[in-house]
Amino acid sequence: GDSVTQMEGPVTLSEEAFLTINCTYTATGYPSLFWYVQYPGEGLQLLLKATKADDKGSNKGFEATYRKETTSFHLEKGSVQVSDSAVYFCALSASGSARQLTFGSGTQLTVLP
Amino acid sequence: EAGVTQFPSHSVIEKGQTVTLRCDPISGHDNLYWYRRVMGKEIKFLLHFVKESKQDESGMPNNRFLAERTGGTYSTLKVQPAELEDSGVYFCASSLIRGARNEQFFGPGTRLTVL
Repeated sequence: GDSVTQMEGPVTLSEEAFLTINCTYTATGYPSLFWYVQYPGEGLQLLLKATKADDKGSNKGFEATYRKETTSFHLEKGSVQVSDSAVYFCALSASGSARQLTFGSGTQLTVLP
Repeated sequence: EAGVTQFPSHSVIEKGQTVTLRCDPISGHDNLYWYRRVMGKEIKFLLHFVKESKQDESGMPNNRFLAERTGGTYSTLKVQPAELEDSGVYFCASSLIRGARNEQFFGPGTRLTVL
């Protein structure tokens, strides 16, 4: 079945450091890929997405590129802020418009001032 | 426009008791999903409604879990009787039948603790 493997945390960085959270997936066909973020005390929010190979999703300074050849969707940000402290989840949705999401285990990011 | 809401936000019950979680999706969203995150692990799919019909309930762990979506609006997830391993955060999400490809909007979750 489909699966998502996500870089284990927790990750602690200083403000303005570069962030990479690795995510690889296993799926048949051409899934859509997502990064969700959960800020403390809040629900999951869609951060960015990509629906086909070589697409780059971006939002709030975060980027991730859909790499079919390496089955990866790594999340990056050039300069993190304290407000980026949250749990980040990589997820995929199998081909089709209304399929369930398959999530990775989540990565806790803490950014120190 | 109101987002997905869930009630209660927290529930603490004893093993063997019954708990009912409620989810109100975004108005007009036909798809409704339940997910669960146990003990800091990955978020796992439980089931998917399209309007009032169960489209996929392959993730339901056992027959102690019962989900309903009467009238295709809000949904309830009942756990009866609750066991210790049912503790976790239960998330509800909704999406349009058509629109941005499977963008699911999540509620804040219900944290369930079974003692």
